[in-house]
Amino acid sequence: QVQLVQSGAEVKNPGASVKVSCKASGYTFIAYYIHWVRQAPGQGLEWMGWINPNSGGTNYALKFQGRVTMTRDTSISTANMELRGLRSGDTAVYYCARLIAADGKGWFDPWGQGTLVTVSS
Amino acid sequence: DIQMTQSPSSLSASVGDRVTITCRASQSISSYLNWYQQRPGKAPKLLIYSASSLQSGVPSRFSGSGSGTDFTLTISSLQPEDFATYYCQQSYSTPLTFGPGTKVDIK
Repeated sequence: QVQLVQSGAEVKNPGASVKVSCKASGYTFIAYYIHWVRQAPGQGLEWMGWINPNSGGTNYALKFQGRVTMTRDTSISTANMELRGLRSGDTAVYYCARLIAADGKGWFDPWGQGTLVTVSS
Repeated sequence: DIQMTQSPSSLSASVGDRVTITCRASQSISSYLNWYQQRPGKAPKLLIYSASSLQSGVPSRFSGSGSGTDFTLTISSLQPEDFATYYCQQSYSTPLTFGPGTKVDIK
């Protein structure tokens, strides 16, 4: 079945970087964009950007530009999201999600299980 | 950026109740609107895409409607497993944005 499996929880000091991975299985990895969405504790969902696994092209939300880098390794069907300059406000669960697109419209299915990133000194 | 709002922010309902959640976009998004369900501690799950299309495997008690700026998610007969938070999301333009969520809990 189609599945996205993310790396485990991380605890980081302020100012550090974190890299979260998202391994895809059950479908052709390069055929679908991967998006990243985060959710702070008790809060809603915030879109961070996407990567095209075929070309490596990316599009980041303005809020994260300069601090985030999304990459992929097609040999192992894995997308990665690195966030630098971590601060307490970056404490959140980070999700990857596959974008299904048809007739110009798009929706997320499935989602990874989430990776909790805690930023604390 | 397109702002998404939802109402109510929370509601209490009983098993068997009909529940309606409203989502509004700050500008017209045609039918570029999706609905997700999130249970506590779990990832969001797709329910409805393109405003009214039921995702495969999702029970038929869920339905979506609307276009332009106003959308609704309806649960025709609430079941115990439906107690969760529901989010709408627009895919009309980037940045993709979500509504703040509607929490459905047990009365």
